[in-house]
Amino acid sequence: EVQLVESGGDLVKPGRSLRLSCRASGFTFGDYAMSWFRQAPGKGLEWLSFIRSKTYGATTEYAASVKGRFTISRDDSKSIAYLQMNSLKTEDTALYYCTRDDRYSSDYWGQGTLVTVSS
Amino acid sequence: QSALTQPASVSGSPGQSITISCTGTSSDVGGYNYVSWYQQHPGKAPKLVIYEVSNRPSGVSNRFSGSKSGNTASLTISGLQAEDEGDYYCSSYTSSTIRVFGGGTKLTVL
Repeated sequence: EVQLVESGGDLVKPGRSLRLSCRASGFTFGDYAMSWFRQAPGKGLEWLSFIRSKTYGATTEYAASVKGRFTISRDDSKSIAYLQMNSLKTEDTALYYCTRDDRYSSDYWGQGTLVTVSS
Repeated sequence: QSALTQPASVSGSPGQSITISCTGTSSDVGGYNYVSWYQQHPGKAPKLVIYEVSNRPSGVSNRFSGSKSGNTASLTISGLQAEDEGDYYCSSYTSSTIRVFGGGTKLTVL
């Protein structure tokens, strides 16, 4: 059974950093691209970042709203995807999801981890 | 403002069919067959219901179908059931940023 479990969400002050983790199981992690999304309270889904499998160079893509502040990475030996978030702003407050991606759709989602940015 | 345009809400009675539209441009919906649809119930994670315009993942009811014409994709739910109520999001591959989403459509089953 495919499972994605996010962790690392917390209450942080503006300007601080946070690293989210997404632990995967039930599939060969290294064969798949992964993405991070977020959903602010009462709002829609926002795609944030994407990392290809090592077969495709583990190259990355970012939404304009987080480019330069967020960094996605992966550790295939541990089956974990990461999202490093720097210079956090109050508008980054949201539930953050990781997904397994296949042919540019997200076929499995985790349950999310909550990030609250507030002074 | 979302890159893909969806109606804010749609509604239908049990047993009826509804269609949710998703309008983009030739750089996303119209240019690639990588449109996907997601269902989200309150307090739950999204769930993929359609990928590559019209394909259903294993386990998704055949009451869900997808199509595309030009720059507009559509999700149709036939034989509407109470459990279909929730939010629906469309997404497309785009050459500029890889993924783009619609703002979501709230489906109410009357």
